[in-house]
Amino acid sequence: RKEVEQDPGPFNVPEGATVAFNCTYSNSASQSFFWYRQDCRKEPKLLMSVYSSGNEDGRFTAQLNRASQYISLLIRDSKLSDSATYLCAVKTGAGSYQLTFGKGTKLSVIP
Amino acid sequence: NAGVTQTPKFQVLKTGQSMTLQCAQDMNHNSMYWYRQDPGMGLRLIYYSASEGTTDKGEVPNGYNVSRLNKREFSLRLESAAPSQTSVYFCASNRRSDLAGLTGELFFGEGSRLTVL
Repeated sequence: RKEVEQDPGPFNVPEGATVAFNCTYSNSASQSFFWYRQDCRKEPKLLMSVYSSGNEDGRFTAQLNRASQYISLLIRDSKLSDSATYLCAVKTGAGSYQLTFGKGTKLSVIP
Repeated sequence: NAGVTQTPKFQVLKTGQSMTLQCAQDMNHNSMYWYRQDPGMGLRLIYYSASEGTTDKGEVPNGYNVSRLNKREFSLRLESAAPSQTSVYFCASNRRSDLAGLTGELFFGEGSRLTVL
């Protein structure tokens, strides 16, 4: 089983729709979780960290479910500018110095 | 602000040639990373350096070597390039050595697109 797994999509949604992405991780000792956004032919950039209690940033909501070992990203009122690939990233345990990324989920918001 | 700078941005090599990808960050970050990104495979860690003077293997280190030249610079060398090393290479950095807590944001360079014929 891959350490971090995501549905690759693509997700094609109309403007204004709500879309949700899930990401599962295999190591129960994982401590920190993140969502990155990557535009076509660009570098990944941090979208948001995922807090244990869940967190919201405008139209974006991130959730963590430790029992089921997954994180989610909800985008409300999708905009054309949200079209990108969304990568989840997981840091595992103390003493680990790296982030493991999922393969990414591609989102296309359609007019 | 330059952030993380990678050179070259594009390179075409023939099988068996060698080359070095350069990476420099001006944010006084402690840890630096080299990832490769291939279609359908996502970002995979090649090597990383938690701090100046240390380097460690990541998920896919075979065929690569690295040098943490100083705190700012972290280079990736392909000694004998193979077509399987055709990829987009990203260098990244973080201010901490341990990506502690929720400060695990990696700052990425713009990427280096390498084609091996």
